Amino acid sequence: GAVVSQHPSWVICKSGTSVKIECRSLDFQATTMFWYRQFPKQSLMLMATSNEGSKATYEQGVEKDKFLINHASLTLSTLTVTSAHPEDSSFYICSAEAGSKTYEQYFGPGTRLTVT
Amino acid sequence: TQLLEQSPQFLSIQEGENLTVYCNSSSVFSSLQWYRQEPGEGPVLLVTVVTGGEVKKLKRLTFQFGDARKDSSLHITAAQPGDTGLYLCAGTHGSSNTGKLIFGQGTTLQVKP
Repeated sequence: GAVVSQHPSWVICKSGTSVKIECRSLDFQATTMFWYRQFPKQSLMLMATSNEGSKATYEQGVEKDKFLINHASLTLSTLTVTSAHPEDSSFYICSAEAGSKTYEQYFGPGTRLTVT
Repeated sequence: TQLLEQSPQFLSIQEGENLTVYCNSSSVFSSLQWYRQEPGEGPVLLVTVVTGGEVKKLKRLTFQFGDARKDSSLHITAAQPGDTGLYLCAGTHGSSNTGKLIFGQGTTLQVKP
């Protein structure tokens, strides 16, 4: 099956610093990847759509200058949380479309970010 | 706005009981997927349904897509503690070519031994 990895799985950083999260498709190429944010016991909230070789498309209310997304290759997308604050603490999950079935997304294991 | 209303949001049952989770919308979806997520992990795809009226079975789980492709249900027979988790429905809108998923609110299921 399609495998998506994320790194790191958890990170603790100090307020004001930046954190980069990587999302990789391990056994397939992903033209499109998605970044989500999830609060405890809640559903996933789409933050942005990451397209290889072009700018990301952000959802309404998501600050593009704060959450920088780069999709440098067909297997790697990165999310950088800049100038992190405690309210940015959350579970960040990426997903990737696999093959020609654009409606099937495979999710990474998530990254737990804690900003102190 | 295309919304997916998922119900119930919380469900606590005893081992061996049956349950049904519903996912409803006023919009037509070209496909609908069900995911299961455990704490601290990413969602895992259970099934994708694309045809109105489609029924798929996965062991004790039965998934149905409504005839009008506006609703879906997940039925679990003889639930087991291992079924505990967050169940999410998600759909893609017919007019969208981005593959963007619209998620329901999720159903937290607890199966007590």
